[in-house]
Amino acid sequence: KQEVTQIPAALSVPEGENLVLNCSFTDSAIYNLQWFRQDPGKGLTSLLLIQSSQREQTSGRLNASLDKSSGRSTLYIAASQPGDSATYLCAVIGGSNYKLTFGKGTLLTVNP
Amino acid sequence: KAGVTQTPRYLIKTRGQQVTLSCSPISGHRSVSWYQQTPGQGLQFLFEYFSETQRNKGNFPGRFSGRQFSNSRSEMNVSTLELGDSALYLCASSFGTYYEQYFGPGTRLTVT
Repeated sequence: KQEVTQIPAALSVPEGENLVLNCSFTDSAIYNLQWFRQDPGKGLTSLLLIQSSQREQTSGRLNASLDKSSGRSTLYIAASQPGDSATYLCAVIGGSNYKLTFGKGTLLTVNP
Repeated sequence: KAGVTQTPRYLIKTRGQQVTLSCSPISGHRSVSWYQQTPGQGLQFLFEYFSETQRNKGNFPGRFSGRQFSNSRSEMNVSTLELGDSALYLCASSFGTYYEQYFGPGTRLTVT
């Protein structure tokens, strides 16, 4: 059974700092990994999708990497802003796992 | 391009009643998945529909059911509501199971 863990559970940083969020998964037979952002009481916004054959994806100030063999992904946020404050979730799908399996998320607070 | 829409956004029901939630996917998407999000359990997969057929089902009791129409719109029904059914219900649409998932804003269900 696939399990996804996100560390840390919460992170507070000053504005302008670069930061890394971590995601690990137990079954490396994934098809892809997706990072989402969720604002309080809202739905999920897709940030980046990494296919299993890819090592990283970039979108603006965001960079996600994937090391499938070790079951790890990181989301790097450059020059953080207060508007980046949200919960960040990673999810994997693939192999015998036909559904997105989510981590519990990292609650990020960027202080002005 | 319009995003995923869900109606209603908020619902308050009494224990024992039933409820129907609706999800309209992004135009061209034929896959609709439903997830339940609670503070304790996080995001859990309910089921996926593709071209009017349920392809995958999560580990939820039979009180949870769904369907998909020929225009890809989907409905989810919960019968005999229990207090533990209080949650944010999210639907996601995509071109298929292993494609990038796009989530709607969710329906907040409160059972009293």
